[in-house]
Amino acid sequence: DVKVTQSSRYLVKRTGEKVFLECVQDMDHENMFWYRQDPGLGLRLIYFSYDVKMKEKGDIPEGYSVSREKKERFSLILESASTNQTSMYLCASRTNVGEQFFGPGTRLTVL
Amino acid sequence: AQKITQTQPGMFVQEKEAVTLDCTYDTSDPSYGLFWYKQPSSGEMIFLIYQGSYDQQNATEGRYSLNFQKARKSANLVISASQLGDSAMYFCAMRSNFGNEKLTFGTGTRLTIIP
Repeated sequence: DVKVTQSSRYLVKRTGEKVFLECVQDMDHENMFWYRQDPGLGLRLIYFSYDVKMKEKGDIPEGYSVSREKKERFSLILESASTNQTSMYLCASRTNVGEQFFGPGTRLTVL
Repeated sequence: AQKITQTQPGMFVQEKEAVTLDCTYDTSDPSYGLFWYKQPSSGEMIFLIYQGSYDQQNATEGRYSLNFQKARKSANLVISASQLGDSAMYFCAMRSNFGNEKLTFGTGTRLTIIP
């Protein structure tokens, strides 16, 4: 079975802190994605990567950056967390043709 | 640009009844795929069913079927014989088979099954 894991289920940070959200997949998928989910807005794509060291902006990249140094790992970085980044963050991975598999999500609260 | 519309923010259905969750989409791409995901209260997104734009038959997976009407640009999810465990958020999504192949999601429908 495909497994996508995220480093934390719940995270509480203070405004201005640097935040790292880690995502690891174990099925050698080329493509990895970071979404945020907010009530009434569905899932919105922040960044995605289709290969190591490659990244592309999604629909809402402002305030975020990403890193993909190894194929199995895709990190989302909040350089200076703000309260409007309080959200559920979902990581996903897929092959070029298959369906997308999601991690369990990280619920981030920024105080 | 692609857009997914789910017009039902919430639905209440009696156990064992069939449920139809609505989804309409908009795209100018000739080739695309449509997906449905289930998100229980635990938060994890669970893939349910996929329909390709050129598939001749509607997709089915167990109790799930996708009522695909290409001319109307609709891809409704039908759950037969609903169960209490079906209570969850349901998201419709689409992906173009051209370009960057990202998934575009709708805003979701919260389904509650009543015993």
